[in-house]
Amino acid sequence: DAGVIQSPRHEVTEMGQEVTLRCKLISGHNSLFWYRQTMMRGLELLIYFNNNVPIDDSGMPEDRFSAKMPNASFSTLKIQPSEPRDSAVYFCALRGPEAIYEQYFGPGTRLTVT
Amino acid sequence: AQTVTQSQPEMSVQEAETVTLSCTYDTSESDYYLFWYKQPPSRQMILVIRQEAYKQQNATENRFSVNFQKAAKSFSLKISDSQLGDAAMYFCAYRSARGGGKLIFGQGTELSVKP
Repeated sequence: DAGVIQSPRHEVTEMGQEVTLRCKLISGHNSLFWYRQTMMRGLELLIYFNNNVPIDDSGMPEDRFSAKMPNASFSTLKIQPSEPRDSAVYFCALRGPEAIYEQYFGPGTRLTVT
Repeated sequence: AQTVTQSQPEMSVQEAETVTLSCTYDTSESDYYLFWYKQPPSRQMILVIRQEAYKQQNATENRFSVNFQKAAKSFSLKISDSQLGDAAMYFCAYRSARGGGKLIFGQGTELSVKP
């Protein structure tokens, strides 16, 4: 158990709707990462935070995507409006304590936009 | 930009046998880290093994070991005494020693284990 809880585990929504994915860390961590996994593009980083501040959001596809980390234990990824091409598995990950900074992933949220 | 390539989309191994999954990467950096992650059907990403580029000794974790060839930019994963539970997608990942920790993943290799 990496100490990462994601909700919901599955989300089905219609195109144009707002979607909010949530990530809760059992204990506070300095760094948090959001990844997206699709068949076409594989696993790719969307954004990561350090000390609750977004450091690299170059992977965020477009303005429809936004992410926040209001405290060391919680983050959200919002898509508004959602599109079918946003269908993917979204992972939240935290950085390990050792210098090598390995990352531990949550169980993921499978998003389907119809 | 760094890239990671896994040239074997699928691999198969007999239970109790040994299998090696290949990974190559491209980087101009000298200091970095490499990882293998396992993704079973549950889709949970599980860290299998890690390697610091500055270490010449290959990492080992129980039945899992790597063959790290820095000059060749190769990082293969060897699974010994394969078990049915080893069946999964395996991803090779690269992380620069600079910056905050973005992982760059390969395309994955799907490993099946035959009883």
